Amino acid sequence: DIQMTQSPSTLSASVGDRVTITCRASQSISSWLAWYQQKPGKAPNLLIYKASSLETGVPSRFSGSGSGTQFTLTISSLQPDDFATYYCHHYNSYPYTFGQGTKLEIK
Amino acid sequence: QVQLVQSGAEVKKPGSSVKVSCKSSGGTFRHYVFFWVRQAPGQGLEWMGAIIPIFNTPNYAQKFQGRVTITADESTSTVHMELSSLTSEDTAVYYCARGLPPLDWGQGTLVTVSS
Repeated sequence: DIQMTQSPSTLSASVGDRVTITCRASQSISSWLAWYQQKPGKAPNLLIYKASSLETGVPSRFSGSGSGTQFTLTISSLQPDDFATYYCHHYNSYPYTFGQGTKLEIK
Repeated sequence: QVQLVQSGAEVKKPGSSVKVSCKSSGGTFRHYVFFWVRQAPGQGLEWMGAIIPIFNTPNYAQKFQGRVTITADESTSTVHMELSSLTSEDTAVYYCARGLPPLDWGQGTLVTVSS
């Protein structure tokens, strides 16, 4: 199975900050990577697919990059609504797996 | 309008089974890939398995092999997930999701396993 490792596990930041979350795959997944945002008690919300494509309706302050085994999610200027937990998710081959999550907290 | 509506919360005894349903509306049911993902309290997302109704051959995470069964009923546009031999470790919210990667998600079904 392909393991997805996210870092950091927790990130403290302020409104207006630029933040980056990293996801590493245990083997190449090409660009078959998605990023999700999840708020407490809610289902995950798709932000980015195919490593760098912004899902319709997602603010442009979110961006993704990478290919192969190294990926990043960047939020260019944090807004109050962005404090949540973020997950990377590969869909290269079965079984698909998720990273362990990064909780973005208000500093 | 695409919508996934899941069945209601369940309370089960250890050793029993649970079957969670997910009714899909909007789009062509048989061509989509459906997933089941669970989330234990305070924990991350865990991929359980997937099915494409037109092929009707499910794929399961190794962890759940032999204990999970995912089926698709085209007549009702509903996907089902049955998990057997339940333990307290299976207490979680179970989500169905659709798309590759999953874009549409159900509201989640809380399954509580308790004696």
